[in-house]
Amino acid sequence: QKEVEQNSGPLSVPEGAIASLNCTYSDRGSQSFFWYRQYSGKSPELIMFIYSNGDKEDGRFTAQLNKASQYVSLLIRDSQPSDSATYLCAVNMFDRDDKIIFGKGTRLHILP
Amino acid sequence: GAVVSQHPSRVICKSGTSVKIECRSLDFQATTMFWYRQFPKQSLMLMATSNEGSKATYEQGVEKDKFLINHASLTLSTLTVTSAHPEDSSFYICSANPRRETQYFGPGTRLLVL
Repeated sequence: QKEVEQNSGPLSVPEGAIASLNCTYSDRGSQSFFWYRQYSGKSPELIMFIYSNGDKEDGRFTAQLNKASQYVSLLIRDSQPSDSATYLCAVNMFDRDDKIIFGKGTRLHILP
Repeated sequence: GAVVSQHPSRVICKSGTSVKIECRSLDFQATTMFWYRQFPKQSLMLMATSNEGSKATYEQGVEKDKFLINHASLTLSTLTVTSAHPEDSSFYICSANPRRETQYFGPGTRLLVL
């Protein structure tokens, strides 16, 4: 069973601090990894994707990938109340249909 | 970024009726689209993969005769919930890949079956 695991939270972080979200995956053959943000009642929106080991930065967001440990994380610097949402980790199976498997998500709450 | 639309955004229907939800890729062609369902405070659950010009691929536990999928063109997939019941009330979301590395979601359709 191919799985993506996340801590459900909630994760509470003071405004201005760094929020760290973690994700592990079971399929060693996975090639690409995504972070989505979902506000309550809305559909997910893509924040970042990463393919290579190491860090990828985009504004206040940094995705980190360690394929040997089967671990991917998302760091949010200078956290803002508007960052409060559920963050979904996703992994592309690169099967015939390019199916993406989602974790259950981590609820992040930024404390003003 | 790529845009995926859904219609309707919200629908209320009586038990036993059928409801059709449309998913469109607005600025790219999508040979494959995906249908998800999300119950309150739960994660996204992939229901099926919609393939243009061929049969959809359903995930285990999803009734293909109840959730009819048609992908008639490269920009349109439809999901029909047949004989809807209250337990089918959920948030239905479609997605599509403008290129292999990414997947964008539609805004979702909230279905309430009375």
